[in-house]
Amino acid sequence: EVQLLESGGALVQPGGSLRLSCAASGFTFSNYPMSWVRQAPGKGLEWVSAITASGATTYFADSGRGRFTISRDNSKNTFYLQMNSLTAEDTAVYYCARNGLVGAGDYLDYWGQGTLVTVSS
Amino acid sequence: EIVMTQSPATLSVSPGERATLSCRASQSVSSNLAWYQQKPGQAPRLLLYGASTRATGIPARFSGSGSGTEFTLTISSLQSEDFAVYYCQQNNNWPLTFGQGTKVEIK
Repeated sequence: EVQLLESGGALVQPGGSLRLSCAASGFTFSNYPMSWVRQAPGKGLEWVSAITASGATTYFADSGRGRFTISRDNSKNTFYLQMNSLTAEDTAVYYCARNGLVGAGDYLDYWGQGTLVTVSS
Repeated sequence: EIVMTQSPATLSVSPGERATLSCRASQSVSSNLAWYQQKPGQAPRLLLYGASTRATGIPARFSGSGSGTEFTLTISSLQSEDFAVYYCQQNNNWPLTFGQGTKVEIK
């Protein structure tokens, strides 16, 4: 069974930093690209970042480019989102998700339950 | 960035009726379009990818069509568990982008 478990969400002050983790199990992690998606309170889904299976290539939404870093450790079946210079607009539930492989790929076929990041003083 | 626009924002449907949701892309995404369902307090769930291929375990009452810029999600006979918010997402270009969602509510 595919499982994704996020951790690291917390209350952080504006300008602060946070690292989210996503631990994967139930599939060959090193074969799959992975993504982070966020959802602000009462709002829709916003894709944040993705990383290829090898970790060689990363992608970012404009909202996080230059402030966020995505990385992975295939030996630990875990990937990460490092978030710096946080603002109130980054307050959201952050989901990790697995990118599908069929066809063009990059649809999100499995999701974690989310971790809440709150940016407030 | 490709902008995805969903309509309507809210759809009121009686159980057993058919629901038709629309998604439009600001430029062609070929058939690289996915649909998700999200219930309150839960993570999204993949319903369809490649515009029309059902994900594992998704009932046949969910179907998708379209290509290019116009897409449709149809729920043939709404069950109580189908009342939720539905999102489309294009996976043709980076950045990946979602529509703003359509809420399907009980009429």
